[in-house]
Amino acid sequence: GQNIDQPTEMTATEGAIVQINCTYQTSGFNGLFWYQQHAGEAPTFLSYNVLDGLEEKGRFSSFLSRSKGYSYLLLKELQMKDSASYLCAVRDFNAGNNRKLIWGLGTSLAVNP
Amino acid sequence: GAGVSQSPSNKVTEKGKDVELRCDPISGHTALYWYRQSLGQGLEFLIYFQGNSAPDKSGLPSDRFSAERTGGSVSTLTIQRTQQEDSAVYLCASSQHTGTNYGYTFGSGTRLTVV
Repeated sequence: GQNIDQPTEMTATEGAIVQINCTYQTSGFNGLFWYQQHAGEAPTFLSYNVLDGLEEKGRFSSFLSRSKGYSYLLLKELQMKDSASYLCAVRDFNAGNNRKLIWGLGTSLAVNP
Repeated sequence: GAGVSQSPSNKVTEKGKDVELRCDPISGHTALYWYRQSLGQGLEFLIYFQGNSAPDKSGLPSDRFSAERTGGSVSTLTIQRTQQEDSAVYLCASSQHTGTNYGYTFGSGTRLTVV
């Protein structure tokens, strides 16, 4: 079957660093995405990993280990506006087509002053 | 257009009525997806259109749900005889069909409330 696991909630302090983990079990793998969703808004694209390693983009970095079925999103220098839900999604080429993503339930991050 | 446009942004309807939700994808994006998101829940896949291919309807929860995409662009999701459990945010997304590193661009969604 297909399964994506991520913590339901996390709390962090403004200016700190937080790591949001995602583990997945899919029959095929063709890329992992991270999205940010603020309350009442649509998800917005943050990052994409298809090869092992770390992808850095400003304050946000995303890591992938395909052998472990594991990814994390690293947020540095946290700001209050980073309070949002962070969604992990995997493209599974065995999921009927190559472009349908399998979504986790999201991690709700609260950044406190 | 510059982004994915959905209308209406909010819809309140009486149980048993039919509703139509509209999505206008980004120009040039051949793939279009409908998702449903209930409060505190993950994204539930509904239907996927890719160019002129037959749509993937595997996520539609019942035969009360249908969708069409005219001219490879605008899509309409229709829910017949709405039920209270249909209340959710309906999100549309589009993407380019080539390359594996293209994620989705989502619209702002339609918040449907069935009373």
